[in-house]
Amino acid sequence: EDKVVQSPLSLVVHEGDTVTLNCSYEVTNFRSLLWYKQEKKAPTFLFMLTSSGIEKKSGRLSSILDKKELFSILNITATQTGDSAVYLCAVEALPAGGTSYGKLTFGQGTILTVHP
Amino acid sequence: GAGVSQSPRYKVTKRGQDVALRCDPISGHVSLYWYRQALGQGPEFLTYFNYEAQQDKSGLPNDRFSAERPEGSISTLTIQRTEQRDSAMYRCASSSSGRRLSGEQFFGPGTRLTVL
Repeated sequence: EDKVVQSPLSLVVHEGDTVTLNCSYEVTNFRSLLWYKQEKKAPTFLFMLTSSGIEKKSGRLSSILDKKELFSILNITATQTGDSAVYLCAVEALPAGGTSYGKLTFGQGTILTVHP
Repeated sequence: GAGVSQSPRYKVTKRGQDVALRCDPISGHVSLYWYRQALGQGPEFLTYFNYEAQQDKSGLPNDRFSAERPEGSISTLTIQRTEQRDSAMYRCASSSSGRRLSGEQFFGPGTRLTVL
């Protein structure tokens, strides 16, 4: 069974701090890893990673994937109170015996709280 | 519409009743997904459609759950003889990809189902 584990489960920091969120996975037929940010509504897409060692960057957020060690990290530098949210990691894999794509297995999320 | 919409946003029902949850994906999106999200957890995959074809229903918990997308656009998730354990947030997502790598899935606001 596909498995995605995120750590830490929760994190409390002050504005300006840098945080690193971790995501490890065990899946068969890995296709991609995705990061989402979820505030009090629907998850919103941050990054999709398919290749090892290539950093994706968007403003203060960046992410990298290690397909050999089966993990990804999401970094947020100079955190702001608006970064407070649940950060979800998801892995897309080809289901066993199936031919369809797109099934995402999510981790339980990391709750990030940024204090002023 | 501009994004994925779901209705109703909240549904309270008595145990044993049937409920139908509706998802209206982003116009032109080929793929549609249903997820269930318990409080404090990441979304859990239920089923996936490519156009009107249900490609993967491996995540449906039991035969009380069914989904359809008859014209390849709007989808309905039906839960028959609801039980208290069915209470959760039910989310729909859509993406423009078909049977290839799905890429970004856009999530709807969800339907909060409460079974009394």
